[in-house]
Amino acid sequence: NAGVTQTPKFQVLKTGQSMTLQCAQDMNHEYMSWYRQDPGMGLRLIHYSVGAGITDQGEVPNGYNVSRSTTEDFPLRLLSAAPSQTSVYFCASSWVRGETQYFGPGTRLLVL
Amino acid sequence: QQQVKQSPQSLIVQKGGISIINCAYENTAFDYFPWYQQFPGKGPALLIAIRPDVSEKKEGRFTISFNKSAKQFSLHIMDSQPGDSATYFCAASKGGSEKLVFGKGTKLTVNP
Repeated sequence: NAGVTQTPKFQVLKTGQSMTLQCAQDMNHEYMSWYRQDPGMGLRLIHYSVGAGITDQGEVPNGYNVSRSTTEDFPLRLLSAAPSQTSVYFCASSWVRGETQYFGPGTRLLVL
Repeated sequence: QQQVKQSPQSLIVQKGGISIINCAYENTAFDYFPWYQQFPGKGPALLIAIRPDVSEKKEGRFTISFNKSAKQFSLHIMDSQPGDSATYFCAASKGGSEKLVFGKGTKLTVNP
């Protein structure tokens, strides 16, 4: 049981490039979320999903897209990277809505 | 508008001492209050959680105290150990919501 996995662990992008951060979980959780973590800002919700085919925006959704075609996978797409998107990104999943979330190890993104 | 305010930002205690981290919330609809622990380079992990129907919950050396009238809750770490050195996040959510709102975090350092 791998839990929540994220790839890549680290990525450097140039301004304007696009990329997809991968997230997968093997716990059959319905709820999945993406957060970004910045120094002194805590964890801020980007997008979340309550099941396959259903996604919604969180607190800071601008510049990011998500889709949920399967229960296991919840990729996060950066459409045109900006330096303000330099951050550590965490994917999380949970069995019960709004409760215990299991976090992945994170993806550290640097946008130059 | 920050819905969960956490203090202090950083905390240094001696081994064997008590670490206390406080959080205050604004939304009276919140009914689930977890604490997450995060070690450097890792994703957050659930430490302990409480619901408003109890005023205190203890798990080993970790205790949550909850004051519904004051809209405050706190984490107490008894007999603090160097291995407890980490960043701690409080959070809150309301029933039926997918959204977990996090505080900005407290970096705890326990000196040997």
